[in-house]
Amino acid sequence: EIVLTQSPGTLSLSPGERATLSCRASQSVSSSYLAWYQQKPGQAPRLLIYGASSRATGIPDRFSGSGSGTDFTLTISRLEPEDFAVYYCQQYGSSPPITFGGGTKVEIK
Amino acid sequence: EVQLVESGGVVVQPGGSLRLSCAASGFTFDDYTMHWVRQAPGKGLEWVSLISWDGGSTYYADSVKGRFTISRDNSKNSLYLQMNSLRTEDTALYYCAKSGGDPVYYFDYWGQGTLVTVSS
Repeated sequence: EIVLTQSPGTLSLSPGERATLSCRASQSVSSSYLAWYQQKPGQAPRLLIYGASSRATGIPDRFSGSGSGTDFTLTISRLEPEDFAVYYCQQYGSSPPITFGGGTKVEIK
Repeated sequence: EVQLVESGGVVVQPGGSLRLSCAASGFTFDDYTMHWVRQAPGKGLEWVSLISWDGGSTYYADSVKGRFTISRDNSKNSLYLQMNSLRTEDTALYYCAKSGGDPVYYFDYWGQGTLVTVSS
């Protein structure tokens, strides 16, 4: 099973600042099958990025994903008030099990 | 518009059974693999199970293998999760989620979840 470790656990930033979230895998994620989700309190997760770097439908271009192998990054270029939330990475390699990282909370400084 | 609506979550005693349902609309249901994902209170996300478009392939997390059974009825655009031998650690919000494609298992649409509480 591939274990995903997200860092930092909490990121305290101000609106307008750049956020860089890390997701490290315990072994290589095949075909860059890595996704990122945003979750706000009381809401279901929302898909942001799939295939490590492809934005999902309707996702603003301030969100970008990069990386390959075992190291992946979600970048939010300029934080908007609605971006303060918890972010999860997920790998969906060639076969189950499918695993999630423990999450990074982006909070207002 | 894609909609996934879960139901069936209740309070149940340890050792009990429960069946969750998910009603899907807004897309061609029998074209897609479907999943259950859960989230314990205040915790992160945990994938539970998947079922292929035709029901021919199913997979489970080790934590539920042998106790949970996923199924689907394409004629009713519905997904199910039969949960047996429930444990307190199964307490969670259970989400139904649609695969973004096959065989790529990211989740492009989620329901709002149904809460299962296992407690005596």
